Amino acid sequence: EVQLVESGGGLVQPGRSMKLSCAASGFTFSNYGMAWVRQAPTKGLEWVATISYDGSSTYYRDSVKGRFTISRDNAKSTLYLQMNSLRSEDTATYYCTREGGLWEPFDYWGQGVMVTVSS
Amino acid sequence: DVQMTQSPSNLAASPGESVSINCKASKSISKYLAWYQQKPGKANKLLIYSGSTLQSGTPSRFSGSGSGTDFTLTIRNLEPEDFGLYYCQQHNEYPWTFGGGTKLELK
Repeated sequence: EVQLVESGGGLVQPGRSMKLSCAASGFTFSNYGMAWVRQAPTKGLEWVATISYDGSSTYYRDSVKGRFTISRDNAKSTLYLQMNSLRSEDTATYYCTREGGLWEPFDYWGQGVMVTVSS
Repeated sequence: DVQMTQSPSNLAASPGESVSINCKASKSISKYLAWYQQKPGKANKLLIYSGSTLQSGTPSRFSGSGSGTDFTLTIRNLEPEDFGLYYCQQHNEYPWTFGGGTKLELK
């Protein structure tokens, strides 16, 4: 059974940093692209970043470029999202997702972890 | 960025009825449109991708149609577990973008 379990969320002050982790199990992690998708309170879904199966390619939405870094450790089957210079508009539930294949959508999702950026 | 517009935002129906949710892209995305279901306390579920291909495990009462800019999700013979939020998403080009969501409620 595919499982994606996020951790590392919480309350953080504007301008500070936070790192999210996603532990994957139930599939060969190194074979799949992975992504982070977020959802602000009472809002819709918003793609944040994607990393290729081997970590050689990364893609970001414009609003997080230069502030967020997606990475992975295939030996540990773990996905990361390093978030720097956080803003109030980054407040959201962050979901770890698996991409079904090249140019394919998100076929598995974690339960999400809440990040609140507030002073 | 490709803007995705979903309609209606809210939809009320009864078990056994059929409903349709529409999704319009601001430019052609070929067939690359996915549909997801979101329910409280559960992981989001991919229902359909590439416009009309059912994800493994998706019941056959769900169907997707369309290409280019206009797409439709149809749910026939609604079951109680079908009520929730539905989102479309284009997977044709980065940045991946989602529609605003449709809340399917029990009438």
